[in-house]
Amino acid sequence: GDSVTQMEGPVTLSEEAFLTINCTYTATGYPSLFWYVQYPGEGLQLLLKATKADDKGSNKGFEATYRKETTSFHLEKGSVQVSDSAVYFCALNYYGQNFVFGPGTRLSVLP
Amino acid sequence: DGGITQSPKYLFRKEGQNVTLSCEQNLNHDAMYWYRQDPGQGLRLIYYSQIVNDFQKGDIAEGYSVSREKKESFPLTVTSAQKNPTAFYLCASHFTGTGSNQPQHFGDGTRLSIL
Repeated sequence: GDSVTQMEGPVTLSEEAFLTINCTYTATGYPSLFWYVQYPGEGLQLLLKATKADDKGSNKGFEATYRKETTSFHLEKGSVQVSDSAVYFCALNYYGQNFVFGPGTRLSVLP
Repeated sequence: DGGITQSPKYLFRKEGQNVTLSCEQNLNHDAMYWYRQDPGQGLRLIYYSQIVNDFQKGDIAEGYSVSREKKESFPLTVTSAQKNPTAFYLCASHFTGTGSNQPQHFGDGTRLSIL
């Protein structure tokens, strides 16, 4: 079946460092791809999405590009802040079907 | 503002007791979902519903029950058969109309603990 794999955390960075969180997926077709963020004690919030190959999703300084050839959707940010500390989930979805979430990657940013 | 409201935020269950978690959305979404999240873990699907009066089991439905009598409401009952109910429960919904895939929207969760 379809699946999403993320790099294991926790990821610990200093403020203003460059962030990459890897996400790869296994799917039989061409799903839409999403990144969600979860702050402590809260639900998940949509961070960005991409619906077809080579699309780039971006929001709040975060970016991810839908790479069909490598089945990847890596999350990047050029300069992280302490407020970016959270758990990040990669997910895929086909029209009309359930979402498939990755296991999440915890990010801690130190001042 | 449109969104998903989960209540209560914290809930305690006694031995042998059934408890019900509320989930209400005013986004006019067709599909609604319940997920369980254990500490430091990802999401596991409990139940989902694509239309009113219809729902399907997810990966961990045992010990849980749901109903979908109204489009905007999808309550989850944690029964006494669920022996390890302590977890964070998340409700989500999304639009299933034609067009590009729409993201899931999430509530703020209910944290359930055993007394």
